[in-house]
Amino acid sequence: DIQMTQSPSTLSASVGDRVTMTCRASQTISNWLAWYQQKPGKAPKLLIYKASSLQIGVPSRFSGSGSGTEFTLTISSLQPDDFATYYCQQYHSYCRFGQGTKVEIK
Amino acid sequence: EVQLWEAGGGLVQPGGPLRLSCVASGFTFGNYAMNWVRQAPGKGLEWVSGISGSGDGTYYADSVKGRFTISRDNSKNTLYLQMNRLRADDTAVYYCAKVGDPVVTVTSEFDYWGQGTLVTVSS
Repeated sequence: DIQMTQSPSTLSASVGDRVTMTCRASQTISNWLAWYQQKPGKAPKLLIYKASSLQIGVPSRFSGSGSGTEFTLTISSLQPDDFATYYCQQYHSYCRFGQGTKVEIK
Repeated sequence: EVQLWEAGGGLVQPGGPLRLSCVASGFTFGNYAMNWVRQAPGKGLEWVSGISGSGDGTYYADSVKGRFTISRDNSKNTLYLQMNRLRADDTAVYYCAKVGDPVVTVTSEFDYWGQGTLVTVSS
């Protein structure tokens, strides 16, 4: 099984900050990686697929990069609506999610 | 507009069965694999099961293999999850999710999710 590890678990930041979080796969997954945003009581929302492709309707301040085993999600200028939990997902072999990174107000 | 609507959650005793359903609209249902993903209270996302667009390919997480059965009725645009021998650690919000890529067999990115239905396993 492919394990996904996200870091950090919690990230404290302020509005306007540039924020970066990491997702590591236990074996290579090429670029078969997605990122989701989830707010309390809501379903996850797709942000990025194939590691770096921006989902339609998602603001351009979100970007993804990486391939193989190391991936990053960057928010170029954090907005109030961005405080949430972010999950990565590999779909190279079935599906597995990382444990999440919670972005909280500093 | 794509919409997914889950139903069937509730309180069930350990060892009991429950069947979830997910009604889809706004896209050609039979062209897309569908999946179930769950989230235990206060925890992260866990993939549960997936099914190909035609229904002839089904896949399960080890944690539910042999207890859960995924199926679909493309004539009714409906996805199902039959859950048997339920355990306390199956307690979660269950989401149905549509794959974004129509050519995949079971999983890709999930571009649309339902609102979720809560399953509570407790005596």
